Amino acid sequence: NAGVTQTPKFQVLKTGQSMTLQCAQDMNHEYMSWYRQDPGMGLRLIHYSVGAGITDQGEVPNGYNVSRSTTEDFPLRLLSAAPSQTSVYFCASSVTEWNTEAFFGQGTRLTVV
Amino acid sequence: QQQVKQSPQSLIVQKGGISIINCAYENTAFDYFPWYQQFPGKGPALLIAIRPDVSEKKEGRFTISFNKSANQFSLHIMDSQPGDSATYFCAASSVKGGGADGLTFGKGTHLIIQP
Repeated sequence: NAGVTQTPKFQVLKTGQSMTLQCAQDMNHEYMSWYRQDPGMGLRLIHYSVGAGITDQGEVPNGYNVSRSTTEDFPLRLLSAAPSQTSVYFCASSVTEWNTEAFFGQGTRLTVV
Repeated sequence: QQQVKQSPQSLIVQKGGISIINCAYENTAFDYFPWYQQFPGKGPALLIAIRPDVSEKKEGRFTISFNKSANQFSLHIMDSQPGDSATYFCAASSVKGGGADGLTFGKGTHLIIQP
């Protein structure tokens, strides 16, 4: 059972470039979410999805887009990367929408230069 | 506005001692309080969680104490071991939030257990 898989693990982007962070889960969870983790800040919610075809914004959505075409996959897109988006990104999935038993991926460390 | 305040920011405990991390929350709609453990280079992993209908929950060496009247909850690690050295995050969420708030995290506590 792989749980939540994120790719890539590391990425360096130039300012203005775009990229997609991939997230896949094999637990058939309806609720998935993306967080960013910055030093001394804890984790902050970027976007979330309560099921295929349904997404919504979290606390810090600016500069990010998401889509949810299947239950398993929840990619995060950076349309035009900025240095302020340098962070570690975590994808999570859970059985319920109030995040009980939430499982996190290993993270993607993104640096924007 | 920080809705979950976690303290201390860092903590050093001798092997065999008790590690105590505290969290206070502002949103009284929160009704699920998990603790996550994170090792360097890894994602957070659920350690233990509590709902407000109980005042304490114990799983092995880990105990959550919950004080609803004070809007506070804490993690106690008994007989702390060097392998417990990690960053610990408290978090909270609300059923009523319908997912919009996700998990609201504290800023984390860097715990070091000295041999």
